[in-house]
Amino acid sequence: GNSVTQMEGPVTLSEEAFLTINCTYTATGYPSLFWYVQYPGEGLQLLLKATKADDKGSNKGFEATYRKETTSFHLEKGSVQVSDSAVYFCALSPGGGADGLTFGKGTHLIIQP
Amino acid sequence: DVKVTQSSRYLVKRTGEKVFLECVQDMDHENMFWYRQDPGLGLRLIYFSYDVKMKEKGDIPEGYSVSREKKERFSLILESASTNQTSMYLCASSRRATPDTIYFGEGSWLTVV
Repeated sequence: GNSVTQMEGPVTLSEEAFLTINCTYTATGYPSLFWYVQYPGEGLQLLLKATKADDKGSNKGFEATYRKETTSFHLEKGSVQVSDSAVYFCALSPGGGADGLTFGKGTHLIIQP
Repeated sequence: DVKVTQSSRYLVKRTGEKVFLECVQDMDHENMFWYRQDPGLGLRLIYFSYDVKMKEKGDIPEGYSVSREKKERFSLILESASTNQTSMYLCASSRRATPDTIYFGEGSWLTVV
């Protein structure tokens, strides 16, 4: 079946540090890949997505590249801010999203000033 | 502006009660979803619907049912609530033409005592 594995948290960084949150997946075919962010007390928001191999999704300074050879979709940001503190979810959809998403367990990111 | 509204943010129910969680979207989306979110488990799909009166089981449908009588409304029903259904419930929706652009509500915290 489909599954997503992402690094356990919490991840604690200082402001302006470089961020990487690892995500690997198992799926049949060529799924679409997503990163969602959940700020405290809120629902999930789409951060970025990639729909085919070698695509790079980017938004708000975050980037992730769809790597088919390593079945990975790692999230990166060059310089994090306190406002980036949130829970980040990696997700996939074999059907482009119509049949729902399979999520990882989430990574809690804490940025200290 | 895009909006998925969940009628109750916080509920406390007793074991054995019948519980209704309501979700309304104002974007004329065909697809609607119910997830539950638990610490350390991420989000898991309970049910989804791709049209009025249509429903499909997700990964963890046991103990739940759903109703979609109108396009904009998708209800999650716990026929006889149990303590292991204490969780955060998230509703989401998407357009059939762009299924990978999924919008989430803010969530409903359900405590079963």
